[in-house]
Amino acid sequence: AQKITQTQPGMFVQEKEAVTLDCTYDTSDQSYGLFWYKQPSSGEMIFLIYQGSYDEQNATEGRYSLNFQKARKSANLVISASQLGDSAMYFCAMREGPWYTGFQKLVFGTGTRLLVSP
Amino acid sequence: DSGVTQTPKHLITATGQRVTLRCSPRSGDLSVYWYQQSLDQGLQFLIQYYNGEERAKGNILERFSAQQFPDLHSELNLSSLELGDSALYFCASSGGAGGTEAFFGQGTRLTVV
Repeated sequence: AQKITQTQPGMFVQEKEAVTLDCTYDTSDQSYGLFWYKQPSSGEMIFLIYQGSYDEQNATEGRYSLNFQKARKSANLVISASQLGDSAMYFCAMREGPWYTGFQKLVFGTGTRLLVSP
Repeated sequence: DSGVTQTPKHLITATGQRVTLRCSPRSGDLSVYWYQQSLDQGLQFLIQYYNGEERAKGNILERFSAQQFPDLHSELNLSSLELGDSALYFCASSGGAGGTEAFFGQGTRLTVV
C-alpha cells in the first residue's frame, strides 16, 4: 500500500531564508505522481507543485522546487526566500498510476506546519 | 481561485441529522473526488466519480453516499450524523488536459453538535 511520511510536525524559518520540508513515500508502482499542497489557516488546499515519477528534471514553480530523489523515495519541497505568507500547513501527497489515466486518488502525509518569522 | 466551488462553506447541524454538500468541478473536469479532513484521521479519500459513474471508493462510511449529475456537479450526502463526523470536507476535480494537477475547493466545514 502506498504511504507518505512527513517526519517534521513543525518547522521554523526566518523571512528570506530557504527551507526544506521533508517527504518520503512508499509504493510498489513504477508510475506515480507526487504533489505538494499548502493549507493556510483559512483552510483551503492550494496546489503548489507536481513531480511525475518519470520526470528527469526536478519540478520548479516560482519559489517552490521539488527535490526528487527516486532511489531514496523522497520528494522534499524547497521554498526559497520565505515570506510571512508562507506560514501554513504543507502536505505531501502521492498518486499511483500514470497521469494519462486520469487523476486517481491521492494519499496524503500528516503535514508539516511551517512558521515564518520576521 | 481553483475553479472548484463548494457550498456551503460552513454547516452546523445536530446529531442524527442528514446534510448534503455540493461541489461544482472546474470547467472541463470530468472527475470529482471527495476527501475528509479530521484531526484524528488526517486527509482521507472518500470517493471518486468520473463522468457520472463511481470510479473508486476509499474509507467512506455506509452512512455517506455521493453522486455526480449529468452537469458534472456532485453531492455528498451524510446521514445519521455523529459527533465524529465533524470535519472539513473537500471536493477536488481533475480530468482536463494533463492530469498532473488536482484542484481542491475551499471545503465545507461541518460541525455536528
